[in-house]
Parts: sequence; C-alpha cells; structure tokens
Amino acid sequence: EAGVVQSPRYKIIEKKQPVAFWCNPISGHNTLYWYRQNLGQGPELLIRYENEEAVDDSQLPKDRFSAERLKGVDSTLKIQPAELGDSAVYLCASSPPGALRTDTQYFGPGTRLTVL
Amino acid sequence: AQSVTQLGSHVSVSEGALVLLRCNYSSSVPPYLFWYVQYPNQGLQLLLKYTTGATLVKGINGFEAEFKKSETSFHLTKPSAHMSDAAEYFCAVSERNYGQNFVFGPGTRLSVLP
Repeated sequence: EAGVVQSPRYKIIEKKQPVAFWCNPISGHNTLYWYRQNLGQGPELLIRYENEEAVDDSQLPKDRFSAERLKGVDSTLKIQPAELGDSAVYLCASSPPGALRTDTQYFGPGTRLTVL
Repeated sequence: AQSVTQLGSHVSVSEGALVLLRCNYSSSVPPYLFWYVQYPNQGLQLLLKYTTGATLVKGINGFEAEFKKSETSFHLTKPSAHMSDAAEYFCAVSERNYGQNFVFGPGTRLSVLP
C-alpha cells in the first residue's frame, strides 16, 4: 500500500512569489492534515480536513495561506505571496475513516520550502 | 492550552547504552500520548501510543514508554541503543475531549556514538 505522497520534495523561491504543495493521502483515509515544521521544532497543525470539509483551520494564516481538498481526496496548500519566515518543511498526514483521537496519523515525507 | 515539554533538545548515548528521552505534558486530564520518530528527510513514523489500560506501552524497534499520571510524564526508553536509532524523536498529545488535533513537543535529537 502506498503511503502519503507529497510533491515537490524541495522548493526554492524568492519572497513575494506564490508556491503550492500537493498531497495525496493513503487510499481510503478521509482525514487529512497539513502541518508546518520549522527548523528544530515539532510540527504545528495548519489545517485539518474531514473529507472535503475544513473542520479546523484556526492556525492557518488566512491572509496568505489557502488550502483546498475539492473531492475529498488529494489536497493543495498554497502560499501567496511567500515571506522569508515561511521557510519550513510542510508535512501532510492522513488517518482512516472513523478516526478517533487515539488513531495514528500517517505522515508524508514533507516539502522543504526555502524562501530567499 | 495543552503543551508538551521534551527535556533536552539533543541527547547523545553510546551504542549499547540505555536510551531515555523525556516527555512531560500539561493537562489536568490525561491526554492520549504518542511518540513519533523522524529520520533525516523523512516524515514522522509512529513508535508507540498510550490511550487506556496498561501504563507501560511497547512499540516498534525495541522502544517502550511508561505513562505516569502523577508525574504527567511519558518518557521513552530503550535498553540498548543501536546506530540506526539516531533520529529526531517527538512526543505528542491529543486531548480526550477536544477533537483530534495533536500537539507536538519540540523534539529531541538522539545521537548514537560508536
């Protein structure tokens, strides 16, 4: 079974440019998460989807960040315009249907963003 | 808000020595507790988790952790370190009454010396 797929793995852009990250969760997983992991820190949740509905986006900086999961499967996270402080690893994770608070989250390898 | 503390951002042990990585949480209601490992340039992988029942939890790769309510702790141990254990380790909590979101600790980088 394929794991969580993310692309690209690495992205280097100049500040004020837009950037997008793509995530394809494990087949059948209806819950999808986007995290940001700054250097030397733990992941911080940006947004959580249940199917196509964003059920928690309280930590998403909505002035420049947006996300979508139109068909409840794969998802895109966008930053426009990017700032220097957005340099980080963006992780996607998924968990299975009926997931409870005890359920494991399965993480993708992440996209490392560098903003120059 | 829930918070997680991991004492020691970097821990070094010799190969074959005991591994002890510390995790404390701040909640009056015991949360669900997790340890994840992250190898370089990879995503996070679950090592073990505590939800209910036995407070000593065994995970993959010989790791185990013990939930101690009185100490609000969930320390990770392994009797004998291997070179392949070198990685970043994250403790995470999920509140029992407030949805599914995880709060991760800052992580501890484990180095294993030959």
